Amino acid sequence: QKEVEQNSGPLSVPEGAIASLNCTYSDRGSQSFFWYRQYSGKSPELIMSIYSNGDKEDGRFTAQLNKASQYVSLLIRDSQPSDSATYLCAVNNAGGFKTIFGAGTRLFVKA
Amino acid sequence: SQTIHQWPATLVQPVGSPLSLECTVEGTSNPNLYWYRQAAGRGLQLLFYSVGIGQISSEVPQNLSASRPQDRQFILSSKKLLLSDSGFYLCAWSVLAGRASSTDTQYFGPGTRLTVL
Repeated sequence: QKEVEQNSGPLSVPEGAIASLNCTYSDRGSQSFFWYRQYSGKSPELIMSIYSNGDKEDGRFTAQLNKASQYVSLLIRDSQPSDSATYLCAVNNAGGFKTIFGAGTRLFVKA
Repeated sequence: SQTIHQWPATLVQPVGSPLSLECTVEGTSNPNLYWYRQAAGRGLQLLFYSVGIGQISSEVPQNLSASRPQDRQFILSSKKLLLSDSGFYLCAWSVLAGRASSTDTQYFGPGTRLTVL
């Protein structure tokens, strides 16, 4: 069983729509959760981190965490063609040195 | 602010040749340092991590090695490259891990794209 699972996509949404990206994880002891964006040929860049159950909003991005269901999601409102990228979900145990990354979901935003 | 550098940006090497990739971090002290490899269309594979000078933990047995000769310098090496070593190599840093907080966050360098022919 993969430790962090994501739908590989591609997920295609029209410009201006909401893109919903999902991630599940297997380790119930996980405490820190991250979303990274990776453009083709570039390194991952951090979008958001979330540590508590519920929603966390930052501009057009909202991260949602449900530890009971071992589920974390990222919503992108008013999607733009520049949001087209691969989105990586990452999970870490507090005090641990290993952050486990999902394989990523490819998002295409059509103009 | 903190910055992380990697070089070279791209590298083409023949099978059996040696490898040395370097990563340096500025603007922070005693960071955790990480080497990842990303094969084409794949996720990130953790290769090594280091919590201090001379302290290296290997995650995957392979023909690669890592060293940390200085606090903010991390080097990935190989004596003889294999075709399977091709990929995108990423260095990352974080501050000392602790309670769930922003200190767990990893930040990536620009990467080195390695092609072994």
